[in-house]
Amino acid sequence: DVKVTQSSRYLVKRTGEKVFLECVQDMDHENMFWYRQDPGLGLRLIYFSYDVKMKEKGDIPEGYSVSREKKERFSLILESASTNQTSMYLCASKILHTEAFFGQGTRLTVV
Amino acid sequence: QQQVKQSPQSLIVQKGGISIINCAYENTAFDYFPWYQQFPGKGPALLIAIRPDVSEKKEGRFTISFNKSAKQFSLHIMDSQPGDSATYFCAASKRTGNQFYFGTGTSLTVIP
Repeated sequence: DVKVTQSSRYLVKRTGEKVFLECVQDMDHENMFWYRQDPGLGLRLIYFSYDVKMKEKGDIPEGYSVSREKKERFSLILESASTNQTSMYLCASKILHTEAFFGQGTRLTVV
Repeated sequence: QQQVKQSPQSLIVQKGGISIINCAYENTAFDYFPWYQQFPGKGPALLIAIRPDVSEKKEGRFTISFNKSAKQFSLHIMDSQPGDSATYFCAASKRTGNQFYFGTGTSLTVIP
């Protein structure tokens, strides 16, 4: 069965902390994505990666960076967390021309 | 700019009724149109998808209607059930691209 696993369901971090969100997929997919989900705004793409060490900015990359050192793992980094980054973060993976598979999400609260 | 526009934002339907959610797009390069269903506390999961070579696709109680000339597609849920209460996202992607463009989501509540 297809699986995208996010390391944490819930996280509470302090303003200014460096935050790492981890995502692992077991499907050998080339493409991996990080979205944030906010009420009324839907899913907004932060970054995506189409291969190891390759990355592309999405619609809202400011304040975030990513790392993909291995094909199965895609990390989202908040360099200095701020309260406006409180959100639900969703990781997804896919191969070209097919559906995306999502993780269960990480609800991040920055206080 | 929102590449895929979705309406309504929320929808309340009686059990047994028909739920209809609409989406519109501008980019004619889009050629894959999935609908995702998301329950509270879960990630979105693919519900049904269509490619523009057909005008309709049906899977059980769920139907996608696709109007290529109008650049619109819609999800119809027949005989809606309380278990269908969820958030629904439409999306679009290009054959030559990797990413999906999502609508803003519709929160569906089916009341018994």
